[in-house]
Amino acid sequence: EIVLTQSPATLSLSLGERATLSCRASQTVGSYFAWYQLRPGQAPRLLIYDASQRATGIPPRFSGSGSGTDFTLTISRLALEDCAVYYCQQRSTWPLTFGGGTKVEIK
Amino acid sequence: EVQLLESGGGLVQPGGSLRLSCAASGFTFSDYGMSWVRQAPGKGLECVSVISGSGGRTYYVDSVKGRFTISRDNSKNTLFLQMNSLRGEDSAVYYCAKDLGGRSGALSYFFDYWGQGTPVTVSS
Repeated sequence: EIVLTQSPATLSLSLGERATLSCRASQTVGSYFAWYQLRPGQAPRLLIYDASQRATGIPPRFSGSGSGTDFTLTISRLALEDCAVYYCQQRSTWPLTFGGGTKVEIK
Repeated sequence: EVQLLESGGGLVQPGGSLRLSCAASGFTFSDYGMSWVRQAPGKGLECVSVISGSGGRTYYVDSVKGRFTISRDNSKNTLFLQMNSLRGEDSAVYYCAKDLGGRSGALSYFFDYWGQGTPVTVSS
């Protein structure tokens, strides 16, 4: 099974700052990669798929990059509603796997 | 508007069974694969099972193979997860999720809409 390792575990930033979240795969997954946002009490939300494609309705401040084993989610200017836990996911190989999550909080 | 509404969760003893349902609306249900994804308390996400739009293809994570069965009724726009021989480690919030889809209804294995989840607790 492909293991996804996210870093950092927690990211504390001020409003308007740039957030950079990382995810490393234990073996190559090509571009078969996604990012999700989980806010407390809400349904998970797909942000990015195919490593860099924004999902429908996702604001342009969210962007994804990377391929192979190293991926990045960038939030260009942090907004209050971005406080959440972010998970990465690979679909290169069954079983589908998710990372352990990065919690983004406002300082 | 796409809506997914899970039901059927609850408290069950180890070794017991539960059947989860997910009522879908707002899209052509039979055109899309569906999945059950769970989150145990304090843990990350785990994709338990995936089913194709027609129901002809199903996939399971090893830890539930032989115990869980995913199915769907396309005439009723409903997804199911039959869970047997439940264990403590199956305790989690179970989410129903819609596959993003691809060409000709192909599975993308990415999930663009999720329900709010239904909690399952396995305990004596």
